[in-house]
Amino acid sequence: DAGVIQSPRHEVTEMGQEVTLRCKPISGHNSLFWYRQTMMRGLELLIYFNNNVPIDDSGMPEDRFSAKMPNASFSTLKIQPSEPRDSAVYFCASSRDSRAGELFFGEGSRLTVL
Amino acid sequence: AQSVTQLGSHVSVSEGALVLLRCNYSSSVPPYLFWYVQYPNQGLQLLLKYTSAATLVKGINGFEAEFKKSETSFHLTKPSAHMSDAAEYFCAVSDLLAGNMLTFGGGTRLMVKP
Repeated sequence: DAGVIQSPRHEVTEMGQEVTLRCKPISGHNSLFWYRQTMMRGLELLIYFNNNVPIDDSGMPEDRFSAKMPNASFSTLKIQPSEPRDSAVYFCASSRDSRAGELFFGEGSRLTVL
Repeated sequence: AQSVTQLGSHVSVSEGALVLLRCNYSSSVPPYLFWYVQYPNQGLQLLLKYTSAATLVKGINGFEAEFKKSETSFHLTKPSAHMSDAAEYFCAVSDLLAGNMLTFGGGTRLMVKP
């Protein structure tokens, strides 16, 4: 079975540009998470969707960040405009409600903002 | 509110030696506890979980963890370290109310010396 698929794996962009990260969760999973990982702050939950509905977005840093889940098989995380401090690895993870806490992570999208 | 503290951001052991990674949690309700492992340039993978059944939980790759309510601890152990165990390990907590939403610790990087 395919795991969680994220794209792009690497993105280098200039400050002020728009960045869109994409995620395809595992089929049948109804929860989706976006995390950010940095050396300084560790692993941070940005937003959590359940059945395509945003449940908790309290971790989204500011209005420059937005996330959507238009259907059960696709989600995006957008940063506009990007800033150097957004440089991080962004992970998408999915799970089933019946297996609470058992998250399956993608390989991550490494973002560098110059 | 839940929280997780991992004592020691870096742990170094010799190959064949005991591995002990420490995790203490705080939760106002009975917790669900997890250990995840992250290999370089990869996403996190579930190693094992505790959900109020047996207090000694066995996971993949020979790891196990023991839930000790009196000590609010969930330490991860492995009798004999292999070079392939070198990775970063994350402890996480959830509960019946939080469901799928995990709170992660800061991580412990395990180094294995030949």
